[in-house]
Amino acid sequence: ETGVTQTPRHLVMGMTNKKSLKCEQHLGHNAMYWYKQSAKKPLELMFVYNFKEQTENNSVPSRFSPECPNSSHLFLHLHTLQPEDSALYLCASSQDPQAGETQYFGPGTRLLVL
Amino acid sequence: LAKTTQPISMDSYEGQEVNITCSHNNIATNDYITWYQQFPSQGPRFIIQGYKTKVTNEVASLFIPADRKSSTLSLPRVSLSDTAVYYCLVGSSGYSTLTFGKGTMLLVSP
Repeated sequence: ETGVTQTPRHLVMGMTNKKSLKCEQHLGHNAMYWYKQSAKKPLELMFVYNFKEQTENNSVPSRFSPECPNSSHLFLHLHTLQPEDSALYLCASSQDPQAGETQYFGPGTRLLVL
Repeated sequence: LAKTTQPISMDSYEGQEVNITCSHNNIATNDYITWYQQFPSQGPRFIIQGYKTKVTNEVASLFIPADRKSSTLSLPRVSLSDTAVYYCLVGSSGYSTLTFGKGTMLLVSP
């Protein structure tokens, strides 16, 4: 248990569906992250939030829409996804968004797009 | 961010000590070296972090030579449950984030 929870753990959706992934951290951290991990590929950073403000968007397609209502919660809204978007989506948090800070990861959401 | 190079995979047996070396020739003065462990279908988990010389915790040791161009993660007496991917990351303070490479897949056999 890392103090970062993600729901759902598994999700199957069609390309026309709209779904949302939820992440919650109980560590009092200020920074939260979304990562994507495809099969046999390194983790890809998608978004970074610091004090609820988005600070990085690594050229992520607009069909992925993040939302950070407060420092403890992070959402990833999904719509009109493609099969190649199937992956493990990981949420992480750290005290601050600095590379020297330890990131605490949630268990991930395994997404399958049909 | 400094680029890291580590072996794609390593094999070991239970009870052995495993040393995984990571090269980071372009490490900057302010960069820290951090190692994470990841099991299949789980998020990475912090193992250890260091800046120079040697750091030890209850899980592993991290050896960093004086030039800091490489680092070695040492896992004492591995068990089957240590089978995982190990990532070496290098980064410094500032408004940037760690970049995960491909990691080292460690397979521990009986």
